[in-house]
Amino acid sequence: GQNIDQPTEMTATEGAIVQINCTYQTSGFNGLFWYQQHAGEAPTFLSYNVLDGLEEKGRFSSFLSRSKGYSYLLLKELQMKDSASYLCAVMDSNYQLIWGAGTKLIIKP
Amino acid sequence: GAVVSQHPSWVICKSGTSVKIECRSLDFQATTMFWYRQFPKQSLMLMATSNEGSKATYEQGVEKDKFLINHASLTLSTLTVTSAHPEDSSFYICSVSGDRDHNEQFFGPGTRLTVL
Repeated sequence: GQNIDQPTEMTATEGAIVQINCTYQTSGFNGLFWYQQHAGEAPTFLSYNVLDGLEEKGRFSSFLSRSKGYSYLLLKELQMKDSASYLCAVMDSNYQLIWGAGTKLIIKP
Repeated sequence: GAVVSQHPSWVICKSGTSVKIECRSLDFQATTMFWYRQFPKQSLMLMATSNEGSKATYEQGVEKDKFLINHASLTLSTLTVTSAHPEDSSFYICSVSGDRDHNEQFFGPGTRLTVL
């Protein structure tokens, strides 16, 4: 079966760095996405990785290792507004998105 | 990215009534639209994939006669929840996918449905 695993909840301090991990087992691979979702709102796109390595975009970076079925989202200089759920999703061989359950990130002052 | 709207943003209805939710792609032609449902504290659950001009493909366990999807044009898809019941109360989100970078999906703002 297809499976995406990510921690249920993480807590970090404002101004610090946090890494949210995601491991996956899917039928084929056509890229991995990270989305941010604030409570009561729809997800918004953060990043896309299809090749191994690190993609940096401002305070957010995303890493992919296809051989390990592993990705992480790195958030630097955390701000209170970063409190949200972070969803990892993998596009399989049928170009369908397989979603993780999301990681709720709590930022404390 | 693409701009996607949904209407209504929230709706409260009585059990047994039908509710129609619209999803519009405002700035590009969406060949494929997706409908998701999300219960509190859970991840997105894909309900169906609709392609313009053809019948929607429903995920296992989703009743196609209860959740009617019409993708009549490249900019509009509708989801009708027929004979809604309290267990259908959820957050319904559509997304669009076109010939854009990275097969990315662009999400609408969601519709909060509460069935009394």
